[in-house]
Amino acid sequence: GAVVSQHPSWVICKSGTSVKIECRSLDFQATTMFWYRQFPKQSLMLMATSNEGSKATYEQGVEKDKFLINHASLTLSTLTVTSAHPEDSSFYICSARSTRTGLGYTFGSGTRLTVV
Amino acid sequence: QQQVKQSPQSLIVQKGGISIINCAYENTAFDYFPWYQQFPGKGPALLIAIRPDVSEKKEGRFTISFNKSAKQFSLHIMDSQPGDSATYFCAASRTGANNLFFGTGTRLTVIP
Repeated sequence: GAVVSQHPSWVICKSGTSVKIECRSLDFQATTMFWYRQFPKQSLMLMATSNEGSKATYEQGVEKDKFLINHASLTLSTLTVTSAHPEDSSFYICSARSTRTGLGYTFGSGTRLTVV
Repeated sequence: QQQVKQSPQSLIVQKGGISIINCAYENTAFDYFPWYQQFPGKGPALLIAIRPDVSEKKEGRFTISFNKSAKQFSLHIMDSQPGDSATYFCAASRTGANNLFFGTGTRLTVIP
């Protein structure tokens, strides 16, 4: 099967600091990874699509300077929340799509970010 | 605009009963329809998926029914168990496109 590891699973940071979240595809190569944000009892909201070796594509309304995405290899994408504020507190989830067809989308276990 | 509409928002089922969740879509170019199960504090996990060339797919207690002409698909959970209590999301995508469009989710509670 396809496994996506997301780290950390939870993080608490102070306002104004930056937090990095890692998303790794463990047993497959992912040319494309996705970052979602999920508010309590709501659906997943796509923030951006990251492609290995190129700039991420951000959804409308998502601040690219606040949510920095890097996809430097076929197995790793990172999301950095810069100058975090309490309103950035949320559940962030990454997803990866294999270069091999038929495997669909695999999700990480999510990161609970709390900004105090 | 919501690409995939899901109902009901919440569902309570007795243990052993059948849970049914429905989804509808507009874009006829969609050709991949997965269902995800999400437990609190966890990421979604793929449960079962179907492509439009078949009208039904069954895996254990989980069945997807697909109606191409009506642009609807549904998840049936047979012999529902308390361990099935979770939030279920339907989704849709099309070959060649990157994005996966999610429904709004259904919170299922199976009571003993």
